[in-house]
Amino acid sequence: AQTIHQWPVAEIKAVGSPLSLGCTIKGKSSPNLYWYWQATGGTLQQLFYSITVGQVESVVQLNLSASRPKDDQFILSTEKLLLSHSGFYLCAWRGTGPYEQYFGPGTRLTVL
Amino acid sequence: GMPVEQNPPALSLYEGAESGLRCNFSTTMKGVQWFQQNHRGRLITLFYLAQGTKENGRLKSTFNSKERYSTLHIKDAQLEDSGTYFCAVELNNYAQGLTFGLGTRVSVFP
Repeated sequence: AQTIHQWPVAEIKAVGSPLSLGCTIKGKSSPNLYWYWQATGGTLQQLFYSITVGQVESVVQLNLSASRPKDDQFILSTEKLLLSHSGFYLCAWRGTGPYEQYFGPGTRLTVL
Repeated sequence: GMPVEQNPPALSLYEGAESGLRCNFSTTMKGVQWFQQNHRGRLITLFYLAQGTKENGRLKSTFNSKERYSTLHIKDAQLEDSGTYFCAVELNNYAQGLTFGLGTRVSVFP
């Protein structure tokens, strides 16, 4: 069975500090991977997607970047956090083809 | 307009009641996924439909791609049904991920 993990569970960071959020998928080779962001009380918005190692496409950047260093790993990062980065970050995967997406437990980020 | 319009924005139900949520789409979609987000933020997949109707316990969902809408029906509402429900679709290339509706906040009262 496939499992998806996100780390950390939650972060409280200062404006201007760097950030790195991680996502790992186990039990599925070559998945499509996605990052989503959700403002408090809002809906989910796609940020990035990756269909293979080393390739990441931006949908909405929000002054963030993403990388896929391994087949099962997706990283979201920034050098300088903004207040507007606060929210809930979710990673998701799917197999190739029109199949459903599966979401991780999310990371709650508070920027002060 | 928005590619996905979800209604109502909020819904209050007493235990045992039933009601429906609806998503309208601006264009023909290949599939729709329905999620429940709980109080911890966890996104739980309820249904994925490429067409037709699916049922799971007290929940039932229909997707009509030609008429460009999908519905989620809750029967015999329970307290644990409280949460925010989202529909989501693949707008373009499936690899690009999902576009979500704005959600329906469902509150079930005893």
